[in-house]
Amino acid sequence: SAVISQKPSRDICQRGTSLTIQCQVDSQVTMMFWYRQQPGQSLTLIATANQGSEATYESGFVIDKFPISRPNLTFSTLTVSNMSPEDSSIYLCSVEWGYTQYFGPGTRLTVL
Amino acid sequence: GDSVTQMEGPVTLSEEAFLTINCTYTATGYPSLFWYVQYPGEGLQLLLKATKADDKGSNKGFEATYRKETTSFHLEKGSVQVSDSAVYFCALVNTGNQFYFGTGTSLTVIP
Repeated sequence: SAVISQKPSRDICQRGTSLTIQCQVDSQVTMMFWYRQQPGQSLTLIATANQGSEATYESGFVIDKFPISRPNLTFSTLTVSNMSPEDSSIYLCSVEWGYTQYFGPGTRLTVL
Repeated sequence: GDSVTQMEGPVTLSEEAFLTINCTYTATGYPSLFWYVQYPGEGLQLLLKATKADDKGSNKGFEATYRKETTSFHLEKGSVQVSDSAVYFCALVNTGNQFYFGTGTSLTVIP
C-alpha cells in the first residue's frame, strides 16, 4: 500500500483568503485524487491529477477556485481560493495503488 | 451509471452486539468492492475489499461477501467493540478506475 501525508492537518482561515494543501506519497503514482468531505457527508471528487498534464475537474468544480499542481509522481497541491464559509470541509488526497484507493489523513478547513 | 447505496445511520449498538451494515450497488460488468472506515478526526482507511463474485474480504473481525446475484456487499462483525465506533463507507470501482462511494454509515458502540 501507499503511505500518504498531508499538510496542514487543519487550519482556520478568514473569508477571501486562499489555502494550499500539500499531499506527499511515499511511492511514485500516476493518478492522484482530491476529494471534499463536507460535514456529515460522503466524499465528493474534486479532480484527478496526473503528472505532466492538467488536472481533470468534476462537474461543479473549476480550476480558478481549486487550482491543482502535480509537479512530480509523488507530490500534489490543492489550493482553495477566495474562501467562503461554504468551503469549510475536510479535503482528502488519495492515490490509486493496485486498483485500490488509499487516502491521506485529510485537512480540516474552517473558514470564518 | 454506477452507484452505491448504503444503509442509513446512525447505528447505535451495545458492545459485543452483532453488526450488519447493508450495501448494494449498481454497476455494469464486474466491479471491485470496498469498505472504508473513518475514525473520528481521521482520514479514510481501507478496511477490506473483494474483487470478484463470491470473494469474502475480511479484516479486524469484519467480513463482507461479494454477492453478484443480489448486487450486495454487506459488512458484518460478530462482536463489536467501543473502538469500532466510526463512519463506514462502501465503495466500488469499475472499468475506467473511477471510485463511487456510498453516503457513509455512522456507528456508535456503547459500553
